Amino acid sequence: DVKVTQSSRYLVKRTGEKVFLECVQDMDHENMFWYRQDPGLGLRLIYFSYDVKMKEKGDIPEGYSVSREKKERFSLILESASTNQTSMYLCASSFLGADTGELFFGEGSRLTVL
Amino acid sequence: GQNIDQPTEMTATEGAIVQINCTYQTSGFNGLFWYQQHAGEAPTFLSYNVLDGLEEKGRFSSFLSRSKGYSYLLLKELQMKDSASYLCAYLDSNYQLIWGAGTKLIIKP
Repeated sequence: DVKVTQSSRYLVKRTGEKVFLECVQDMDHENMFWYRQDPGLGLRLIYFSYDVKMKEKGDIPEGYSVSREKKERFSLILESASTNQTSMYLCASSFLGADTGELFFGEGSRLTVL
Repeated sequence: GQNIDQPTEMTATEGAIVQINCTYQTSGFNGLFWYQQHAGEAPTFLSYNVLDGLEEKGRFSSFLSRSKGYSYLLLKELQMKDSASYLCAYLDSNYQLIWGAGTKLIIKP
């Protein structure tokens, strides 16, 4: 069964802490994405990657960075967490050139920043 | 700009039919998608429309009118397990997905 796995389902961090969210997919997908999901808003793209060591900014990259050292792993980093980064974070992957838009999502990481 | 709208919440009865609408405005369009997301779970792909018309897939159908910037998801013979949020998204001219806020569908017995 194909799978996108996010390292933590629930995290609680304090303002100013560094936060790592990890995502691993076992489908050999080229594309990987990080979104955040907030009530009343659509999914918002933070960063994406089409290849190892490659990254592109999405719509809301401020306050975030990413790392893609291996094809199957895409990490989201919050260098200094702030309360407005409290959210649900969703990782997704897809095949390169998948213009049908079929993304495979992880189950999400709910981050609370106090 | 990017503009996509869908109702926030809808309620329907088990066994009935419900239609969830999605409207969008964009200068570049490469298809429209529907995803289902149960509470606390990952979104899962339901359908993709790039040409006008109706695509049927079991109890679920999706319709697109590109000239009107309009799509709907039709769910027939509703079951309690269909209670979920339904996310509409279009693929823009840069092949990026632009998401609606989602429609929470509540099914009552």
